[in-house]
Order: sequence, then C-alpha cells, then structure tokens
Amino acid sequence: ETGVTQTPRHLVMGMTNKKSLKCEQHLGHNAMYWYKQSAKKPLELMFVYSLEERVENNSVPSRFSPECPNSSHLFLHLHTLQPEDSALYLCASSPQEGATNEKLFFGSGTQLSVL
Amino acid sequence: GQNIDQPTEMTATEGAIVQINCTYQTSGFNGLFWYQQHAGEAPTFLSYNVLDGLEEKGRFSSFLSRSKGYSYLLLKELQMKDSASYLCAVRDSNYQLIWGAGTKLIIKP
Repeated sequence: ETGVTQTPRHLVMGMTNKKSLKCEQHLGHNAMYWYKQSAKKPLELMFVYSLEERVENNSVPSRFSPECPNSSHLFLHLHTLQPEDSALYLCASSPQEGATNEKLFFGSGTQLSVL
Repeated sequence: GQNIDQPTEMTATEGAIVQINCTYQTSGFNGLFWYQQHAGEAPTFLSYNVLDGLEEKGRFSSFLSRSKGYSYLLLKELQMKDSASYLCAVRDSNYQLIWGAGTKLIIKP
C-alpha cells in the first residue's frame, strides 16, 4: 500500500466516450502527477500539480484534461480518445514538486483500452 | 537529447546475484533513482544515489559513477518475488525526471 489510490483499475472505452480517472493520496503531499506508461517505453510525464496549481503540461493533447480540486485529489478527464492512447495511466505524489532527492509515491494505475 | 539506457529483459536463477545496468546522458545531474514495479502494481522506490559509490540496503545495492554516466542495481540472494521491472530515472539540471524504459527481470527456480 503506497498511500496513493487510483480508480478504476481497468477501463475500456470507445473513441466517442467520456470518462474520468480518479486519484487520491493520503500522505499529505503537496505535489501530484499524471504519467502515461506504454509497454517497453519510458514513463511519460503528462501533468504536474503543486499546491493545486498546474505547473507543467508536457504538450499533452487536449483530449486529456486534468483537474485538481484539492491537494489530495487528482482527476484526468478523457474524451474522444484514440486507440494509441491505450496505456497504463499512473498517478503519483511527492511532498514537494521538483525537490532533488524526493521520491515519488505511485498508485497502481488505470489500465486503459480505447477501442 | 536526453537518454537513459537499460537492458529490456534479464533472466536469473533463484539464489543467484544479478546486476542491472543503467547508462544516462542528461542535461546535468541531480541524482539517480531506482524503482521496482511488479506486474499490475505501483512502482515503488528502491534507492537514490547522488554521490559516487555504492549504497547498500539489505539484499539490494545501487552504484553510481557520475563521470561515466553509469549506475547499476545489484540484487543478491534472488527470490522469486524479485521478478519485476526495474526502472532507472535521473533528475536533470532542471529537476525533471528522465526515465528509462525499464528492465524486466525474470527469476527462474
């Protein structure tokens, strides 16, 4: 148990659907992250929030829309996705954003399949 | 560009020792991390190196040579539960984390 919970664990959606991924952390951290993990590829950072403000958006398509209502919750809203968006989406948190030696605490991810 | 290289897959025998290498070319260096990820589970932190040398933590050790842009993770007395992917990541001069694609370690009895 890492203290970071993601739901749902698995999601299958059509290209015209709208769905949301949810992440909750119980660690009192100030920074939260969304990563995309595709098979045999490095983790891709999508979004970073620090104290509920977005501090980074790594050229992610607008069909992915993040929301951080408070420092414990993070959402990723999905709409009109493409099959190449199928991947494992990982949420992570850390005490502060960008600190040198701070480790990330990850959730178990949502395995997304876009049909 | 920035790059982290690690072997895609390795196989080792239960009870043996295995070394997983990681080489990096990044814009600056502010530390190197190793994470373990079991299939279908969250990556979990294993080690952090910022100075040259070996850091030992139980059965796992991590080594860093900044001049060579090289690190390795050493796993001793391998157990079946060590079957997992091992991710190497470097924090660059902008404090961004640059990730390798991970090494899938298969342990055979």
